[in-house]
Amino acid sequence: GQQVMQIPQYQHVQEGEDFTTYCNSSTTLSNIQWYKQRPGGHPVFLIQLVKSGEVKKQKRLTFQFGEAKKNSSLHITATQTTDVGTYFCAGPKTSYDKVIFGPGTSLSVIP
Amino acid sequence: GAVVSQHPSRVICKSGTSVKIECRSLDFQATTMFWYRQFPKKSLMLMATSNEGSKATYEQGVEKDKFLINHASLTLSTLTVTSAHPEDSSFYICSASLGTGLDEQYFGPGTRLTVT
Repeated sequence: GQQVMQIPQYQHVQEGEDFTTYCNSSTTLSNIQWYKQRPGGHPVFLIQLVKSGEVKKQKRLTFQFGEAKKNSSLHITATQTTDVGTYFCAGPKTSYDKVIFGPGTSLSVIP
Repeated sequence: GAVVSQHPSRVICKSGTSVKIECRSLDFQATTMFWYRQFPKKSLMLMATSNEGSKATYEQGVEKDKFLINHASLTLSTLTVTSAHPEDSSFYICSASLGTGLDEQYFGPGTRLTVT
């Protein structure tokens, strides 16, 4: 069945450093979604990418959808302590499939 | 933005009893709602997909007689954990989707269930 993987599983960075998490699917995705879950909180939707090669930015966050629509990345520039949390990617294989969540990347920011 | 509430936020029950968790979409109508289970520092495990007015679709390995799901209206879905056991202790999160269920999901705050 479809699998969604994320690397790294954990990342510790010094405040101000950049951070990137990668998401890879075993199958082509019709769209890719990113969520952030703060410690003790619930997942919050960040963004959805639909087109091959699409790049979207939200302030210091840059999201990219691969040309083959099988991978995606989230890059945070100059991390802040407010960026702490677990970042999940998720996506359906086709318009008729359910959304599969990746295992998440847990980000810690050292002040 | 779309807001989803869950009640209760925490519940402690004795083994063998049943617990009902409510999930409500407060400012939109949710055709599709999802129920997830999350273990500490782990990802979201989809338990079932709930569509208003029809039977829920359960994921492989999830006992439908143990985890009863009812989606009676476009704003309310309930999950009842029947005859709960300590291994059912977990963080249960619901989410709702505006569209077909393949678009972004809006998550409730979750319910921490502890079975003693």
